Amino acid sequence: KNEVEQSPQNLTAQEGEFITINCSYSVGISALHWLQQHPGGGIVSLFMLSSGKKKHGRLIATINIQEKHSSLHITASHPRDSAVYICAVTRGTDKLIFGTGTRLQVFP
Amino acid sequence: GAGVSQSPSNKVTEKGKDVELRCDPISGHTALYWYRQSLGQGLEFLIYFQGNSAPDKSGLPSDRFSAERTGGSVSTLTIQRTQQEDSAVYLCASSLGTLRGYTFGSGTRLTVV
Repeated sequence: KNEVEQSPQNLTAQEGEFITINCSYSVGISALHWLQQHPGGGIVSLFMLSSGKKKHGRLIATINIQEKHSSLHITASHPRDSAVYICAVTRGTDKLIFGTGTRLQVFP
Repeated sequence: GAGVSQSPSNKVTEKGKDVELRCDPISGHTALYWYRQSLGQGLEFLIYFQGNSAPDKSGLPSDRFSAERTGGSVSTLTIQRTQQEDSAVYLCASSLGTLRGYTFGSGTRLTVV
Protein backbone atom coordinates (compact mmCIF):
# COMPACT_ATOMS: atom_id res chain seq x y z
CA LYS A 1 0.00 0.00 0.00
CA ASN A 2 1.36 3.42 -0.95
CA GLU A 3 2.06 5.83 1.87
CA VAL A 4 0.17 8.50 -0.11
CA GLU A 5 -3.09 7.57 -1.83
CA GLN A 6 -5.01 9.78 -4.20
CA SER A 7 -8.51 9.51 -5.56
CA PRO A 8 -9.82 9.47 -8.12
CA GLN A 9 -7.04 8.32 -10.46
CA ASN A 10 -8.84 9.88 -13.42
CA LEU A 11 -11.43 12.61 -13.50
CA THR A 12 -13.34 14.22 -16.32
CA ALA A 13 -15.47 17.33 -15.94
CA GLN A 14 -17.40 19.87 -17.95
CA GLU A 15 -16.18 23.43 -17.94
CA GLY A 16 -17.55 25.28 -14.94
CA GLU A 17 -17.89 22.27 -12.67
CA PHE A 18 -16.56 22.20 -9.10
CA ILE A 19 -13.81 19.60 -8.77
CA THR A 20 -12.44 17.81 -5.74
CA ILE A 21 -9.33 15.63 -5.60
CA ASN A 22 -8.58 13.71 -2.43
CA CYS A 23 -5.34 12.64 -0.79
CA SER A 24 -4.86 10.35 2.20
CA TYR A 25 -1.61 9.48 3.90
CA SER A 26 -0.71 6.82 6.39
CA VAL A 27 2.05 8.34 8.53
CA GLY A 28 2.72 11.55 10.41
CA ILE A 29 3.90 14.35 8.16
CA SER A 30 5.62 17.70 8.45
CA ALA A 31 3.91 19.15 5.36
CA LEU A 32 1.69 18.23 2.43
CA HIS A 33 2.17 19.57 -1.07
CA TRP A 34 -0.12 19.80 -4.07
CA LEU A 35 1.67 19.85 -7.42
CA GLN A 36 0.44 20.30 -10.99
CA GLN A 37 1.98 18.66 -14.04
CA HIS A 38 0.82 19.58 -17.54
CA PRO A 39 1.34 17.10 -20.41
CA GLY A 40 4.92 17.37 -21.57
CA GLY A 41 5.51 20.11 -19.07
CA GLY A 42 7.29 20.57 -15.84
CA ILE A 43 5.88 20.46 -12.34
CA VAL A 44 4.46 23.50 -10.63
CA SER A 45 4.07 23.70 -6.87
CA LEU A 46 0.53 24.83 -6.05
CA PHE A 47 0.33 24.65 -2.27
CA MET A 48 2.27 23.61 0.79
CA LEU A 49 0.11 22.93 3.86
CA SER A 50 0.74 21.88 7.40
CA SER A 51 -2.69 22.83 8.75
CA GLY A 52 -5.96 24.46 7.81
CA LYS A 53 -6.76 25.84 4.40
CA LYS A 54 -5.11 27.86 1.64
CA LYS A 55 -6.64 29.58 -1.38
CA HIS A 56 -5.07 30.85 -4.58
CA GLY A 57 -7.41 32.08 -7.26
CA ARG A 58 -9.82 29.28 -8.12
CA LEU A 59 -7.81 26.69 -6.20
CA ILE A 60 -8.43 25.78 -2.58
CA ALA A 61 -6.47 23.24 -0.55
CA THR A 62 -7.48 21.91 2.84
CA ILE A 63 -5.88 19.51 5.27
CA ASN A 64 -7.20 17.60 8.28
CA ILE A 65 -4.20 16.44 10.29
CA GLN A 66 -6.23 14.21 12.63
CA GLU A 67 -7.83 12.36 9.72
CA LYS A 68 -4.60 12.37 7.64
CA HIS A 69 -6.52 13.71 4.67
CA SER A 70 -6.26 16.62 2.26
CA SER A 71 -8.44 17.87 -0.56
CA LEU A 72 -7.73 20.06 -3.54
CA HIS A 73 -10.75 21.92 -4.92
CA ILE A 74 -11.03 23.73 -8.23
CA THR A 75 -13.95 26.12 -8.59
CA ALA A 76 -15.38 27.07 -11.99
CA SER A 77 -13.11 24.58 -13.77
CA HIS A 78 -11.67 25.46 -17.17
CA PRO A 79 -10.05 23.36 -19.92
CA ARG A 80 -6.68 24.91 -19.05
CA ASP A 81 -6.96 23.20 -15.64
CA SER A 82 -6.48 19.86 -17.44
CA ALA A 83 -3.34 18.34 -15.94
CA VAL A 84 -2.11 15.71 -13.52
CA TYR A 85 -2.46 16.80 -9.91
CA ILE A 86 -0.03 15.20 -7.50
CA CYS A 87 -0.19 15.06 -3.73
CA ALA A 88 3.13 14.68 -1.92
CA VAL A 89 4.20 14.71 1.72
CA THR A 90 7.35 15.31 3.68
CA ARG A 91 8.02 13.73 7.05
CA GLY A 92 11.11 14.42 9.08
CA THR A 93 13.21 15.26 6.05
CA ASP A 94 12.43 17.45 3.08
CA LYS A 95 12.33 14.74 0.44
CA LEU A 96 8.91 14.36 -1.12
CA ILE A 97 6.90 11.14 -1.02
CA PHE A 98 4.50 11.23 -3.91
CA GLY A 99 1.01 9.97 -4.56
CA THR A 100 0.30 8.42 -7.94
CA GLY A 101 -1.49 11.49 -9.25
CA THR A 102 -4.97 12.34 -10.51
CA ARG A 103 -5.38 12.96 -14.22
CA LEU A 104 -7.97 15.71 -14.75
CA GLN A 105 -9.57 16.52 -18.09
CA VAL A 106 -11.93 19.46 -18.34
CA PHE A 107 -14.00 19.64 -21.51
CA PRO A 108 -15.49 22.84 -22.93
CA GLY B 1 18.59 32.58 -12.31
CA ALA B 2 14.85 33.08 -12.36
CA GLY B 3 14.06 29.39 -12.28
CA VAL B 4 15.61 25.95 -12.00
CA SER B 5 17.47 25.17 -15.20
CA GLN B 6 18.18 21.63 -16.38
CA SER B 7 20.26 20.49 -19.29
CA PRO B 8 20.05 18.83 -21.64
CA SER B 9 16.29 18.82 -22.07
CA ASN B 10 16.51 15.58 -24.03
CA LYS B 11 19.24 12.97 -24.17
CA VAL B 12 19.36 9.79 -26.21
CA THR B 13 22.21 7.47 -25.37
CA GLU B 14 23.30 3.96 -26.19
CA LYS B 15 23.08 1.25 -23.58
CA GLY B 16 26.33 1.04 -21.63
CA LYS B 17 27.35 4.67 -22.09
CA ASP B 18 27.71 7.13 -19.23
CA VAL B 19 25.54 10.26 -19.07
CA GLU B 20 25.68 13.47 -17.07
CA LEU B 21 22.60 15.53 -16.29
CA ARG B 22 22.96 19.07 -15.02
CA CYS B 23 20.82 21.14 -12.68
CA ASP B 24 21.29 24.84 -11.99
CA PRO B 25 19.08 25.76 -9.01
CA ILE B 26 17.63 29.12 -8.09
CA SER B 27 20.35 31.34 -6.66
CA GLY B 28 20.33 31.20 -2.87
CA HIS B 29 18.34 27.97 -2.62
CA THR B 30 20.23 25.80 -0.17
CA ALA B 31 18.32 22.58 -0.86
CA LEU B 32 18.49 20.66 -4.14
CA TYR B 33 16.67 17.45 -5.01
CA TRP B 34 16.76 14.95 -7.85
CA TYR B 35 13.65 12.94 -8.68
CA ARG B 36 12.84 10.48 -11.46
CA GLN B 37 9.60 9.84 -13.33
CA SER B 38 9.58 6.68 -15.39
CA LEU B 39 7.07 6.18 -18.22
CA GLY B 40 3.70 5.37 -16.71
CA GLN B 41 5.13 5.47 -13.23
CA GLY B 42 4.96 7.97 -10.43
CA LEU B 43 7.70 10.20 -9.16
CA GLU B 44 10.45 8.77 -7.01
CA PHE B 45 13.10 10.44 -4.90
CA LEU B 46 16.75 9.94 -5.86
CA ILE B 47 19.04 12.24 -3.83
CA TYR B 48 18.87 15.40 -1.74
CA PHE B 49 21.49 18.04 -0.93
CA GLN B 50 21.01 20.50 1.93
CA GLY B 51 23.68 23.13 2.44
CA ASN B 52 26.98 21.64 3.54
CA SER B 53 25.42 18.51 5.05
CA ALA B 54 26.13 15.07 3.69
CA PRO B 55 23.65 14.31 0.89
CA ASP B 56 20.76 11.92 1.45
CA LYS B 57 21.44 9.26 -1.19
CA SER B 58 18.82 6.82 0.02
CA GLY B 59 16.81 6.92 -3.21
CA LEU B 60 19.59 6.12 -5.67
CA PRO B 61 18.57 2.82 -7.34
CA SER B 62 22.06 1.41 -7.82
CA ASP B 63 25.75 2.26 -7.50
CA ARG B 64 25.71 3.26 -11.17
CA PHE B 65 24.01 6.47 -10.04
CA SER B 66 25.90 9.28 -8.35
CA ALA B 67 25.47 13.00 -7.89
CA GLU B 68 27.51 15.92 -6.71
CA ARG B 69 26.83 19.53 -5.96
CA THR B 70 29.73 21.88 -6.41
CA GLY B 71 30.02 25.08 -4.40
CA GLY B 72 26.51 24.66 -3.06
CA SER B 73 25.05 25.52 -6.44
CA VAL B 74 25.10 23.48 -9.65
CA SER B 75 24.50 19.75 -9.37
CA THR B 76 25.38 16.94 -11.75
CA LEU B 77 23.65 13.56 -11.74
CA THR B 78 25.80 10.89 -13.37
CA ILE B 79 24.54 7.53 -14.57
CA GLN B 80 27.26 5.07 -15.50
CA ARG B 81 26.80 2.13 -17.87
CA THR B 82 23.24 3.16 -18.68
CA GLN B 83 20.55 0.50 -18.97
CA GLN B 84 17.20 0.67 -20.75
CA GLU B 85 15.37 0.78 -17.41
CA ASP B 86 17.14 4.09 -16.71
CA SER B 87 14.96 5.73 -19.38
CA ALA B 88 12.88 8.34 -17.58
CA VAL B 89 12.43 12.04 -17.02
CA TYR B 90 14.91 13.25 -14.42
CA LEU B 91 13.63 16.23 -12.49
CA CYS B 92 15.56 18.63 -10.32
CA ALA B 93 14.00 20.88 -7.70
CA SER B 94 15.36 23.45 -5.30
CA SER B 95 14.07 25.22 -2.22
CA LEU B 96 15.15 27.63 0.47
CA GLY B 97 15.15 24.78 2.99
CA THR B 98 12.98 22.97 5.46
CA LEU B 99 9.25 23.50 5.08
CA ARG B 100 9.71 25.90 2.19
CA GLY B 101 8.09 25.46 -1.21
CA TYR B 102 9.80 23.75 -4.10
CA THR B 103 10.61 25.00 -7.59
CA PHE B 104 11.01 22.30 -10.20
CA GLY B 105 13.03 22.36 -13.39
CA SER B 106 11.49 21.21 -16.64
CA GLY B 107 13.39 17.95 -16.54
CA THR B 108 15.76 15.95 -18.72
CA ARG B 109 14.13 13.21 -20.76
CA LEU B 110 16.65 10.37 -20.95
CA THR B 111 16.17 7.60 -23.49
CA VAL B 112 18.53 4.64 -23.45
CA VAL B 113 18.50 2.66 -26.71
